[in-house]
Amino acid sequence: GDSVTQMEGPVTLSEEAFLTINCTYTATGYPSLFWYVQYPGEGLQLLLKATKADDKGSNKGFEATYRKETTSFHLEKGSVQVSDSAVYFCALTPDYKLSFGAGTTVTVRA
Amino acid sequence: DVKVTQSSRYLVKRTGEKVFLECVQDMDHENMFWYRQDPGLGLRLIYFSYDVKMKEKGDIPEGYSVSREKKERFSLILESASTNQTSMYLCASTDQDVYGYTFGSGTRLTVV
Repeated sequence: GDSVTQMEGPVTLSEEAFLTINCTYTATGYPSLFWYVQYPGEGLQLLLKATKADDKGSNKGFEATYRKETTSFHLEKGSVQVSDSAVYFCALTPDYKLSFGAGTTVTVRA
Repeated sequence: DVKVTQSSRYLVKRTGEKVFLECVQDMDHENMFWYRQDPGLGLRLIYFSYDVKMKEKGDIPEGYSVSREKKERFSLILESASTNQTSMYLCASTDQDVYGYTFGSGTRLTVV
């Protein structure tokens, strides 16, 4: 079945550092791809999405590009803040059921 | 503000107890989901429902059942709780547009 593999954490960074979280997927069709974020003590929130090849999703300074040739959807941010500390999940769906990666815990130090 | 509400943030239950986790959404969404979240495993789908009284098994349904008698409410039932069901449980809902997934804050269940 369709699945997502994302880079293991935890990741610890200093403020203003560059963040990359790798995500690759396996799918038989053409899924939509998502990044969700979970802040401490909260549920998941949609961070960004892309629905077709070469689409770029962006939100709150984060970006990810749907790369069909490499089956990837890596998350990037150029300058992280302490408030970006959270767990990040890559996810995909061919229909309306989401399949998630294992999650990557990111901690940003002041 | 639209939302998904899970009735408890923390629960502690004994092995063998029957446990009910409740989830209510106020968005008139057709589809509702129960996931469990474990470190290193991400979120795994337990059950989902696409209409009242309709349910389908997800990836890990063993030891769980669900009930959806009303559109806004989706209950997860642990028939006989076991220690390996200690986890964070997340409820979500969406209409046919998957971009509208909304998650509850989660219930952290500990089975002792």
